[in-house]
Amino acid sequence: DVKVTQSSRYLVKRTGEKVFLECVQDMDHENMFWYRQDPGLGLRLIYFSYDVKMKEKGDIPEGYSVSREKKERFSLILESASTNQTSMYLCASSLFPPDTQYFGPGTRLTVL
Amino acid sequence: AQSVSQHNHHVILSEAASLELGCNYSYGGTVNLFWYVQYPGQHLQLLLKYFSGDPLVKGIKGFEAEFIKSKFSFNLRKPSVQWSDTAEYFCAVNGNDMRFGAGTRLTVKP
Repeated sequence: DVKVTQSSRYLVKRTGEKVFLECVQDMDHENMFWYRQDPGLGLRLIYFSYDVKMKEKGDIPEGYSVSREKKERFSLILESASTNQTSMYLCASSLFPPDTQYFGPGTRLTVL
Repeated sequence: AQSVSQHNHHVILSEAASLELGCNYSYGGTVNLFWYVQYPGQHLQLLLKYFSGDPLVKGIKGFEAEFIKSKFSFNLRKPSVQWSDTAEYFCAVNGNDMRFGAGTRLTVKP
């Protein structure tokens, strides 16, 4: 079974703080993704990565950056958190791009 | 641009009722199609997928979906829902990239 883990289930931060969200997968998947999930908007892709040290912008990359130093780990960084980044953040991985994505449990981030 | 549309935001059914959730997409090329489900407090998981072959695909827990290429649709069905089907359902389409619909919240009353 594929397992995708995220470092925190709940996180509360203050405006302007730098925030790190970590994601680790244990199935040697090449591809990893970060989404945010908001009611009525579904999942929106922030960034994705097809290989180590490689990253591509998704639909809503503004205010975010990512890091992939190792194959199994994909980090999402909020350089200066803002209240409109309060959301549920989901990490996913897949073996190859069009295939099934496996999701982590999500991190619910609140920015005050 | 590729997009996915789920017509129903919230569906309320009684147990044993039949279910059909609509999903339409806009993309002219070859697509892979998915339905994911998110049960309360749980992570998103795959319900079923279509890549090629028989356009009627069967998934877990008695769900099925039919790909109708001419209608750009991939509707999810279940003949008789149970209270445990209460969840949020997401359609996703992978053409150039993976795109998710806004989701449909299903509430099944016992």
